[in-house]
Amino acid sequence: GDSVTQMEGPVTLSEEAFLTINCTYTATGYPSLFWYVQYPGEGLQLLLKATKADDKGSNKGFEATYRKETTSFHLEKGSVQVSDSAVYFCALVYSGAGSYQLTFGKGTKLSVIP
Amino acid sequence: SQTIHQWPATLVQPVGSPLSLECTVEGTSNPNLYWYRQAAGRGLQLLFYSVGIGQISSEVPQNLSASRPQDRQFILSSKKLLLSDSGFYLCAWSRAGKKETQYFGPGTRLLVL
Repeated sequence: GDSVTQMEGPVTLSEEAFLTINCTYTATGYPSLFWYVQYPGEGLQLLLKATKADDKGSNKGFEATYRKETTSFHLEKGSVQVSDSAVYFCALVYSGAGSYQLTFGKGTKLSVIP
Repeated sequence: SQTIHQWPATLVQPVGSPLSLECTVEGTSNPNLYWYRQAAGRGLQLLFYSVGIGQISSEVPQNLSASRPQDRQFILSSKKLLLSDSGFYLCAWSRAGKKETQYFGPGTRLLVL
């Protein structure tokens, strides 16, 4: 079945450091890919998405590129802030008929220290 | 704009007691609605989804049930809670006919003792 694998956390960075959170997926077709963010005590918020190969999703300084050849969707940010501390989830869903399930990775906790 | 509400925010219940969690969506019609559970260290798991009033699909067999009595209301229930039902329950919606982008509510934290 489909699956999403994220790098193990927690990740601790100093403010203004460069962030990469790796995400790879296993899927039989061509899913849409997402990054969601969950701030402490809150629900999930959509951070960015990409619906086809080579698309780049971006939002709030975060970027991720849909790489079909490596089945990856790594999340990057050039300079993190303390307010970026949260849990980040990579996810996929198929656009066609069939399951409505978003398949999530287990999440990567990011802590940014001043 | 669309908003999604969940209540209660936190719930502590004894084993064997019933459960009712409510989710409502504002600002859209005929949304797809979803219930997810987030258990510690296990990521999110889709429990139920609904594409219309009275239409419920279950993704995994379990102790829980869902109902959609109104277009923008989605209820998660149990007749007898188990310890393993503890977790963070998230409701989500997507536009009718589109499932790619799902928007999540603030969640309900359930602790079964």
